[in-house]
Amino acid sequence: GESVGLHLPTLSVQEGDNSIINCAYSNSASDYFIWYKQESGKGPQFIIDIRSNMDKRQGQRVTVLLNKTVKHLSLQIAATQPGDSAVYFCAENGSTGFQKLVFGTGTRLLVSP
Amino acid sequence: DTEVTQTPKHLVMGMTNKKSLKCEQHMGHRAMYWYKQKAKKPPELMFVYSYEKLSINESVPSRFSPECPNSSLLNLHLHALQPEDSALYLCASSQGTGSDQPQHFGDGTRLSIL
Repeated sequence: GESVGLHLPTLSVQEGDNSIINCAYSNSASDYFIWYKQESGKGPQFIIDIRSNMDKRQGQRVTVLLNKTVKHLSLQIAATQPGDSAVYFCAENGSTGFQKLVFGTGTRLLVSP
Repeated sequence: DTEVTQTPKHLVMGMTNKKSLKCEQHMGHRAMYWYKQKAKKPPELMFVYSYEKLSINESVPSRFSPECPNSSLLNLHLHALQPEDSALYLCASSQGTGSDQPQHFGDGTRLSIL
């Protein structure tokens, strides 16, 4: 998602629901994408990655979907738990410059019991 | 627990002080990174050491000075910082230097400049 000013987009869900976090990436040359989870007071934690020769990849309770046609990436979390509350960043590798990974602006996921 | 260890976890320093941030990884990774992260923003890359060769983000001021004593260790030397340098400083590592490899992050050093 896109953020405006200092406000992170926020997704609020109930415990047990499925969550979908979206990311629009900018560079059609990107061929590798990562999702990170960042909890308060911690560094970004690798969740799952996907290469452009795939359109779906599954992990434990998480699924990443890649739509190259519209340059869209999503992270699906099944049976969301309070421990999933965090800021989620997508990242792409399409930069031709110094930065190997370009991070999105982040989405805050709030899970209420 | 992260496999990238950063010390200290918190640091408060005056604008005339000199301090160093430390990072260590024992995963055999050959690339290490320093990032700066402001509140509610994504991390911004400052420096990359790839096989102990340094690449610099040209926008980073010279009051930040990285050092890579060996492939497992990364330091960030700080001198004459400004209040706007207050941020979370993250270290990361990756197995190689390709752009198709995940970077693994430490939990950062929370730096406050008085």
